[in-house]
Amino acid sequence: QKEVEQNSGPLSVPEGAIASLNCTYSDRGSQSFFWYRQYSGKSPELIMSIYSNGDKEDGRFTAQLNKASQYVSLLIRDSQPSDSATYLCAPQEGDSSYKLIFGSGTRLLVRP
Amino acid sequence: DAMVIQNPRYQVTQFGKPVTLSCSQTLNHNVMYWYQQKSSQAPKLLFHYYDKDFNNEADTPDNFQSRRPNTSFCFLDIRSPGLGDAAMYLCATSSRTGTGYTFGSGTRLTVV
Repeated sequence: QKEVEQNSGPLSVPEGAIASLNCTYSDRGSQSFFWYRQYSGKSPELIMSIYSNGDKEDGRFTAQLNKASQYVSLLIRDSQPSDSATYLCAPQEGDSSYKLIFGSGTRLLVRP
Repeated sequence: DAMVIQNPRYQVTQFGKPVTLSCSQTLNHNVMYWYQQKSSQAPKLLFHYYDKDFNNEADTPDNFQSRRPNTSFCFLDIRSPGLGDAAMYLCATSSRTGTGYTFGSGTRLTVV
């Protein structure tokens, strides 16, 4: 069974702080990794993708990948109350070129 | 704008009364997916189409069926909804090259 593990939270941070969201996965064949943001009652929205080991930055978001440790993380700098949402980690299945495996998400709460 | 559209946004159905949810896309993506998501859980893949090829997940109940009459449209049929089928149903699309999914806005199904 291919698994994606995320701390369910809630992760509570003050406005302006860095939020760090972590994810581990079991499928060693996974090559592509995605982070989705999901507001309560809404559908997931793609915010970051990462394919190579190391860091990838996009605005206030940084994704970090370590394939050897089967670990991927998302950092959100200067957190805003509007960042309060559930963040889903989604590695691509190793034996598929397109299917994703979703974690159950970490709920982030940014306090004003 | 290219997008994935789900209708209806909210659906209330009676216990045991067949219901159909629809999804359309203007992205011309090869792959279309149906997910079921219950509160605080990971999206659960029900089935997907790779072009016209239908792929059913092993644990998807027989009560759930799907149709993809053409590239743009996909339907989810629930033959006899039970109370346990109340959930958010998410349609998603992707290209064959694994650049992540684009989700529709979802259909919130209530069974009374």
